[in-house]
Amino acid sequence: DGGITQSPKYLFRKEGQNVTLSCEQNLNHDAMYWYRQDPGQGLRLIYYSQIVNDFQKGDIAEGYSVSREKKESFPLTVTSAQKNPTAFYLCASTRDRMNTEAFFGQGTRLTVV
Amino acid sequence: GENVEQHPSTLSVQEGDSAVIKCTYSDSASNYFPWYKQELGKRPQLIIDIRSNVGEKKDQRIAVTLNKTAKHFSLHITETQPEDSAVYFCAASMFGNQFYFGTGTSLTVIP
Repeated sequence: DGGITQSPKYLFRKEGQNVTLSCEQNLNHDAMYWYRQDPGQGLRLIYYSQIVNDFQKGDIAEGYSVSREKKESFPLTVTSAQKNPTAFYLCASTRDRMNTEAFFGQGTRLTVV
Repeated sequence: GENVEQHPSTLSVQEGDSAVIKCTYSDSASNYFPWYKQELGKRPQLIIDIRSNVGEKKDQRIAVTLNKTAKHFSLHITETQPEDSAVYFCAASMFGNQFYFGTGTSLTVIP
């Protein structure tokens, strides 16, 4: 069953802790993206990667870090430097850089307690 | 960078009526404009897209129009059904670049 999988679905973090959100795809897509979704603000880009071992900052990268060691995987770390981390996080992938359909994961809801 | 504005933020229509959602973009270099539907608790899914060399595209009850001169594009849903109730996002993108999303429109179709 092809697709993009995020885990976990729900995540709770204590203040001051780093936490890593998983994103895996078996679509053989080159590009992967992380978005943050807050009520009334749409989807805002955190980081994106168009090729293995390379990634670029999006509009709201501060307090986040990523890696792209494998084509299939693009984990996102929410660090303690992120001042307001409670949000819904969506991972997406596209086949290439040619502006094609983005496939989204089911999302991870992160709550800081 | 690109700025995408989307209106209205909420929209209620009677079943069978039409719904129109409008988006504007700022960068004339944007050339790809997808629309995504996100049902409650689910992931966004592409419902229709249009490229800058086309002015209109239809897929059954859904259509998108693009006005490059005015830098705006719209989603039209005809004969709305309760299952059309969802949040709709527009987006704009350039080649090799990331997608810039609008803030979303929550559509409610009243039976």
